[in-house]
Amino acid sequence: GAVVSQHPSRVICKSGTSVKIECRSLDFQATTMFWYRQFPKQSLMLMATSNEGSKATYEQGVEKDKFLINHASLTLSTLTVTSAHPEDSSFYICSAGTSGRDYNEQFFGPGTRLTVL
Amino acid sequence: GQNIDQPTEMTATEGAIVQINCTYQTSGFNGLFWYQQHAGEAPTFLSYNVLDGLEEKGRFSSFLSRSKGYSYLLLKELQMKDSASYLCAVMDSNYQLIWGAGTKLIIKP
Repeated sequence: GAVVSQHPSRVICKSGTSVKIECRSLDFQATTMFWYRQFPKQSLMLMATSNEGSKATYEQGVEKDKFLINHASLTLSTLTVTSAHPEDSSFYICSAGTSGRDYNEQFFGPGTRLTVL
Repeated sequence: GQNIDQPTEMTATEGAIVQINCTYQTSGFNGLFWYQQHAGEAPTFLSYNVLDGLEEKGRFSSFLSRSKGYSYLLLKELQMKDSASYLCAVMDSNYQLIWGAGTKLIIKP
């Protein structure tokens, strides 16, 4: 099956620092990668959608200068939380989508728990 | 606007059957997904329905009625490990997933 990895799985940082999260599709080429954020006891909130080689499309209310997304290849996307603050503490999950199947399923990474002190 | 509704929480007994409902209103429809999410983990795929009817996969079944904007996930022979949140998501006309808030399922012995 399709496997998506995320690194790191957990990060604790000081307020004002930047944190980079990597998302990799290990055994398939992902035409599209999605970044989600999930606060405790809430559902997934889509932050942005990125296609390889093009700029990410951000959802309304998501600051693109704060959450930098780079999708440099068909197997790697990165999310950088710049100048992180305590309110950015959340569970960040990436997913990778493929085309050419019967349906456009998203395969989720294991998530990254970010805690900003 | 787009909307996915599902119950916030349900409780069931080990060995029993539970049905989790999901109703939706979206701009376009390209399929409905059910995901399972254990606390602190990412969602895992359970089922996909794009045509009306019942899809059975082991202890889990998913039903879809497009005319009613309605789906349900049926879990049989409940096990304690089935305690999790179950997320209903609809793919709209732009092939974007619209997510429900999830149903927390509590299994009691």
